[in-house]
This record gives sequence, structure tokens and C-alpha cells, in this order.
Amino acid sequence: QSALTQPASVSGSPGQSITISCTGTSSDVGGYNYVSWYQQHPGKAPKLMIYDVSNRPSGVSNRFSGSKSGNTASLTISGLQAEDDADYYCSSYTSSTPVVFGGGTKLTVL
Amino acid sequence: QVQLQESGPGLVKPSETLSLTCTVSGGSIINYYWSWIRQPPGKGLEWIGYIYYSGSTNYNPSLKSRVTISVDTSKSQFSLKLNSVTAADTGVYYCARVDYFGSGSINYFDSWGQGTLVTVSS
Repeated sequence: QSALTQPASVSGSPGQSITISCTGTSSDVGGYNYVSWYQQHPGKAPKLMIYDVSNRPSGVSNRFSGSKSGNTASLTISGLQAEDDADYYCSSYTSSTPVVFGGGTKLTVL
Repeated sequence: QVQLQESGPGLVKPSETLSLTCTVSGGSIINYYWSWIRQPPGKGLEWIGYIYYSGSTNYNPSLKSRVTISVDTSKSQFSLKLNSVTAADTGVYYCARVDYFGSGSINYFDSWGQGTLVTVSS
């Protein structure tokens, strides 16, 4: 099962909005609404930010939002803050292996 | 709030077996699926496998021939064994709780351990 495709890096200035894409196939992202997003700061464990495409766990800022169109899911962060500087990973249920991750995107807050 | 903690040797020799244990506290191990996920240095996340509290398992096909995950509900622990390791198995190993749907279908990972670095080297 190939990894989901994410841009290697994105950047934005404080206060701006950015979007990270996650492209798969009809066997994963496009076929199911089981896409999740994780934030990972250096040396730390990943933290769940979005599940079921667009739902936020309790305690996650409403600046984080998720969506999906066809085989591509997206994570949008609005009102960028310095603390958002981190790596972000998408994942999806797949019809073959139980789960597949994206390659990760490094977000730099300028 | 459930907490997970990985433990085990940080250094393993090539061709030997990597063994890690995850201890679950602050919540029950019953009625959940539990996973191991790893991350090579500077790279992305790779799902290794999962185990249900009852003992049923599912492994990443790319690792299936070398992986065994087991559970001890009396100790609220589950364990990973990866045999015949090489340098490519070096990385941070995480244990995580699985939110699932249906029978063994992974939705997301909602709680993670802090991770433990395992280096494969002679």
C-alpha cells in the first residue's frame, strides 16, 4: 500500500491561513470518510487534530479544520500561530491494509 | 485519561529480536484495539500492526513475516516482537490506542505513548 501524498513543506506568516493536501485513491481517501490528521512537534509523539475528515477532538483549537473532495483531503489552519510550526501527517482507512499514512508535511511559521 | 508508556532495550544487534512493551494506565485495555507504529529518523510514520484485547491481530503486510504482537490484560500491557532486525528497523517506536469501526477497521489513533528510540547496531 503506497503512502498518501502530501507536500513536503508549506509555510505561512502569523495570522495567515494555510492548507495541507493529502491525496490518495478511491481505495482509501476517496472511498471512506475515515481520514485523520496528526500534529507532531520535534521529539514528541503525534497528536490527533482531526478525525472522520472534519471532526475535532475535544481541546483542539477551532483554527484547525478538515475537508475532503474526491481522493484529496485537506487540513486548513487559520490564524497561524508560532506554536503551529510542526510536522503534519494525514492517515486514512484503506480497503487493503487497515491504515495508511501520508509522508508528512513540514509547516514553517515565518 | 488513558496513558501509554513504551519500555524495552534501546539498542539491538543486527539479526536479533527487538522486544518492546507498552503499559496502559488510567483506562482499561478491555474493548480496545492497540497498535504499534514506528518512525525512522527524519522520516514518516509506518503502521506495524494491532492487537485486540482478546488477542486477535493484524499486521502490516510488509512486516508480517517478522512481527508478533501479544497482549496481557492482567498487566494492562501489550508487546511487540520484531525478529531478524537490520539497520532499517532503527527508529522511534510508538504504541497507540485505536479508535475502530466494524471488526478491526482502524479509524484513528487517539492516544499515543511518548515513543522509544530503538537503534539497531552491532
